[in-house]
Amino acid sequence: DGGITQSPKYLFRKEGQNVTLSCEQNLNHDAMYWYRQDPGQGLRLIYYSQIVNDFQKGDIAEGYSVSREKKESFPLTVTSAQKNPTAFYLCASRRTSGREDTQYFGPGTRLTVL
Amino acid sequence: GEDVEQSLFLSVREGDSSVINCTYTDSSSTYLYWYKQEPGAGLQLLTYIFSNMDMKQDQRLTVLLNKKDKHLSLRIADTQTGDSAIYFCAEISSGSARQLTFGSGTQLTVLP
Repeated sequence: DGGITQSPKYLFRKEGQNVTLSCEQNLNHDAMYWYRQDPGQGLRLIYYSQIVNDFQKGDIAEGYSVSREKKESFPLTVTSAQKNPTAFYLCASRRTSGREDTQYFGPGTRLTVL
Repeated sequence: GEDVEQSLFLSVREGDSSVINCTYTDSSSTYLYWYKQEPGAGLQLLTYIFSNMDMKQDQRLTVLLNKKDKHLSLRIADTQTGDSAIYFCAEISSGSARQLTFGSGTQLTVLP
């Protein structure tokens, strides 16, 4: 059963804590992405990685960190420096094949700061 | 810069056709996409169109692309209650990141 998994589905954080969101894919895709979604808005790019051991900041990287030690995994850490972390976080991986260039999304993690 | 705009709401009667519209600004986008999001879920890729195409049909879905006006539309034929969701238009950047830029989404409500 191929796809993208994210865990946990719901996450609650106290102010001042770091939390890590998991993203795993078994689609053999090289590139992976983290997006943030706020109510009534489209998705905004946090970080992306085009290959193992390499990653780049997106439009809203402040207060976040990532790692890419394995092709299958791209965890996102929301640090205490992120001022407004309550949001829905979506991970995606990118398929490029012939004339196809598409991103497939996981089910998301909803993070709430208490 | 890149910007994608969509109307926020659309209501249709079950069995009618729905047309969701989108305008984008990056004329160098090679691909444009339509995603569907149901409550509390991730985004499901519905369809995409390559920029050198004018139209793409996939079962009940028809995508129309007007490159001159930078206008993209998604038509859903015979709309069903299960089609109620938020629909996002997205364009892909021409840079090395190949990131997606999304509109704010159109909430489609299908009335019985």
